[in-house]
Amino acid sequence: RKEVEQDPGPFNVPEGATVAFNCTYSNSASQSFFWYRQDCRKEPKLLMSVYSSGNEDGRFTAQLNRASQYISLLIRDSKLSDSATYLCVVTPLYKGSQGNLIFGKGTKLSVKP
Amino acid sequence: DADVTQTPRNRITKTGKRIMLECSQTKGHDRMYWYRQDPGLGLRLIYYSFDVKDINKGEISDGYSVSRQAQAKFSLSLESAIPNQTALYFCATSDLPRLAGATYEQYFGPGTRLTVT
Repeated sequence: RKEVEQDPGPFNVPEGATVAFNCTYSNSASQSFFWYRQDCRKEPKLLMSVYSSGNEDGRFTAQLNRASQYISLLIRDSKLSDSATYLCVVTPLYKGSQGNLIFGKGTKLSVKP
Repeated sequence: DADVTQTPRNRITKTGKRIMLECSQTKGHDRMYWYRQDPGLGLRLIYYSFDVKDINKGEISDGYSVSRQAQAKFSLSLESAIPNQTALYFCATSDLPRLAGATYEQYFGPGTRLTVT
């Protein structure tokens, strides 16, 4: 089983739609979780951290379910500018790795007018 | 000015050539990383360095070497490039999480698109 798995998409949605991305991780001891955003041919950038209690940043909501080893990202009222690839990221916990990140392959979102 | 810069941004080279990709950062971070990104495979860690005297292999270090010349500089070398090293290469930096719950956010450079023919 890969360490971080995501549906690659693409998700093609109209403007204003609500879209949800899911991610599963294999290491039950992973401590930190994130969503990064990557625009086409650009570098990844942190979108938001994911906390056990769930967290929201404007139109974006992230959820973590440790029991199921599952992370989600919900985008409400999609904008054209939300079109990008969304990377699910976790921190591994093997010796010497603290601070390293394991990236999922990403889920591509395309928001259409 | 960008906090993390990479040179060159694009490079085409021939099989067997030695090539160096350079990364510089002005964020004052101790930790630096080299990744490669291939379509369908995502980002994979090549090497990482937690400080100037600390170099560690990542997931896919074979065929690569690195040098941490200073806190701000971390270079990646391909001693004898081969076509399957054609990829997008990213350098990244992060700070040391000094507090419980601190983020492990990594800041990426703009990438180097390398083609080996």
